[in-house]
Amino acid sequence: SQTIHQWPATLVQPVGSPLSLECTVEGTSNPNLYWYRQAAGRGLQLLFYSVGIGQISSEVPQNLSASRPQDRQFILSSKKLLLSDSGFYLCAWTRGNQPQHFGDGTRLSIL
Amino acid sequence: SQELEQSPQSLIVQEGKNLTINCTSSKTLYGLYWYKQKYGEGLIFLMMLQKGGEEKSHEKITAKLDEKKQQSSLHITASQPSHAGIYLCGAGPPSSQGAQKLVFGQGTRLTINP
Repeated sequence: SQTIHQWPATLVQPVGSPLSLECTVEGTSNPNLYWYRQAAGRGLQLLFYSVGIGQISSEVPQNLSASRPQDRQFILSSKKLLLSDSGFYLCAWTRGNQPQHFGDGTRLSIL
Repeated sequence: SQELEQSPQSLIVQEGKNLTINCTSSKTLYGLYWYKQKYGEGLIFLMMLQKGGEEKSHEKITAKLDEKKQQSSLHITASQPSHAGIYLCGAGPPSSQGAQKLVFGQGTRLTINP
């Protein structure tokens, strides 16, 4: 069966520090991968998606970037965090016409 | 761009009562997904609807998509404490290059009182 892992589960970072969140999928190949952010009062927003290694599409302009160095690995990064980057970050995968399946999320707090 | 509006935003019901959550789209729905989220956790897939008039059930939860494919409802029968959480509907245009670009409603927070 397929599983998706995100880490860390919780992160507290100072403003201006770098960020790296990792997401990996097991039990499938060539998945489509997604990063979402869920901020208070703003719902769930798609940030990036990837249909293959090295292929990244950005949905909203922001301070973040994404990379896909391996087929089942998706990384969310920032060089300098802003207060507005706080939120709950969710990774998801899908393949074909399957519904998206989500990881457990990372809660990011910026101080 | 497509927008989804959920109602109500929050709901408190007595255990054992029935309830309905609605999701209305600004555009025709090509696929409508219902998810459940417990606070601070990921989303759990519940059901997917694609055809006008389609209805699906899983245990005590039934989801329907109207004939015009612009509104969906989620109905819970004889609610239990395990049903508590945030329910989100998600939808998107036909897949582009295989990607499923979903937009989500703001969610409905369901509380079950014993």
